[in-house]
Amino acid sequence: NAGVMQNPRHLVRRRGQEARLRCSPMKGHSHVYWYRQLPEEGLKFMVYLQKENIIDESGMPKERFSAEFPKEGPSILRIQQVVRGDSAAYFCASSPPADSLTYTFGSGTRLTVV
Amino acid sequence: AQSVTQLGSHVSVSEGALVLLRCNYSSSVPPYLFWYVQYPNQGLQLLLKYTSAATLVKGINGFEAEFKKSETSFHLTKPSAHMSDAAEYFCAVSDINTDKLIFGTGTRLQVFP
Repeated sequence: NAGVMQNPRHLVRRRGQEARLRCSPMKGHSHVYWYRQLPEEGLKFMVYLQKENIIDESGMPKERFSAEFPKEGPSILRIQQVVRGDSAAYFCASSPPADSLTYTFGSGTRLTVV
Repeated sequence: AQSVTQLGSHVSVSEGALVLLRCNYSSSVPPYLFWYVQYPNQGLQLLLKYTSAATLVKGINGFEAEFKKSETSFHLTKPSAHMSDAAEYFCAVSDINTDKLIFGTGTRLQVFP
C-alpha cells in the first residue's frame, strides 16, 4: 500500500511561471490537505478537499493559488505567476473518512522560484 | 481560534538524557492533540495522538506525552535520547468540529554523543 505520493519532489520555476504540484492520496483516503512550510516556521494550513469538493480554503491566498481534487486523478495545487515569496516546501496529507484526523503526509514538493 | 505554542525552537540533549519538548495549546472546546516528527527532507510522521481517552499517551520510538487540562499542556518526553531522535518535532491541535490540524512552529532536537 503506497503512501501519499507527491510529485515532483523538487520544482524550479522562474518568476511569472506557473507551478503545478500533484498529490496522490493513500488508497481508501478521501480527504486531502495541503500545507506550506517556510524556513523556521511550522506548517501552515492551506486547503482541505474531498473528491470534487473544496471543504475549507481558509488558508489559501486569495490570488494566484487554486486547488482541486477531481473524481479521477491526483489532487493539484496550482500557483500562477509565481513570485520569490512562494518558495517553500508544500506538503500534502490524506486521511480516511472514518478517522479524518489521522493524517498521512507525503514527502513534499520543494518549490524554488528564481 | 485554536493554536499551539512550542516553547524553545531548539533543544539540545546528550545521548541517554531525558528529552522534554514543550507544547501548550489554546482551544475553546476539548482538543485533540498530536505530536509529529520530521526528518530532513521528509514529510511528517505521527508520533502519538490524544483524542480524549487516557491522558498519558504512548507513541512510537519510546516517546510519550501527557495531556494536562489544568496547564493546557501536552509536553512530549522520552526517558533516554538516542542519536536517531535528532529531528524536528511539531505539536498540533484540532477538535471534533474540524478536520484540519493547526501546527506549532516546531522544535529542533539535537542529540550529542
